[in-house]
Amino acid sequence: KQEVTQIPAALSVPEGENLVLNCSFTDSAIYNLQWFRQDPGKGLTSLLLIQSSQREQTSGRLNASLDKSSGRSTLYIAASQPGDSATYLCAVGTINGYQLIWGAGTKLIIKP
Amino acid sequence: KAGVTQTPRYLIKTRGQQVTLSCSPISGHRSVSWYQQTPGQGLQFLFEYFSETQRNKGNFPGRFSGRQFSNSRSEMNVSTLELGDSALYLCASSPGTGGVEQYFGPGTRLTVT
Repeated sequence: KQEVTQIPAALSVPEGENLVLNCSFTDSAIYNLQWFRQDPGKGLTSLLLIQSSQREQTSGRLNASLDKSSGRSTLYIAASQPGDSATYLCAVGTINGYQLIWGAGTKLIIKP
Repeated sequence: KAGVTQTPRYLIKTRGQQVTLSCSPISGHRSVSWYQQTPGQGLQFLFEYFSETQRNKGNFPGRFSGRQFSNSRSEMNVSTLELGDSALYLCASSPGTGGVEQYFGPGTRLTVT
């Protein structure tokens, strides 16, 4: 049974710092991995999607890597800003990619 | 392009009642997935529909059911509501073929009293 873990559960850093969020999964037979952010009381916003054949994806200040053999993905946020404050969730796509198994999330606070 | 819409946004029901939630996907998307989010269990997959057929199903009791219409709109039904069904219900839309990235709606907040 696939299990997804995110560490740390919460993180508070000063504005401007580069930071890394971690996601690990127990079964390397994944279809893809997706990172999302969730703002309080709102839905989910897709940040990056990495297919199982890819090693990384980049979008602006965000970079996500995937290492299937070790069951790990990292989300790197460069030059953090207060607007980056949110809960970040990683989700592993199984079977045909449409069934997502979720981590519990990392609550990120960027202090001005 | 309009995003994923969910109605209603908030709902209060009593134990034992049933409820129907609606999701309209992004135009052209044929896959709709449903998720339940609770503080204790986090996000859990309920089911996914593609072209009016349930393609994937999570580990939820039979009280949770869904359907998809020919225009790709989807409904989710929960019968005999329990207090533990209080949650944020999210639906996600995806092209369904050739693209799996999921785009989420704002969710329906269901409170069962």
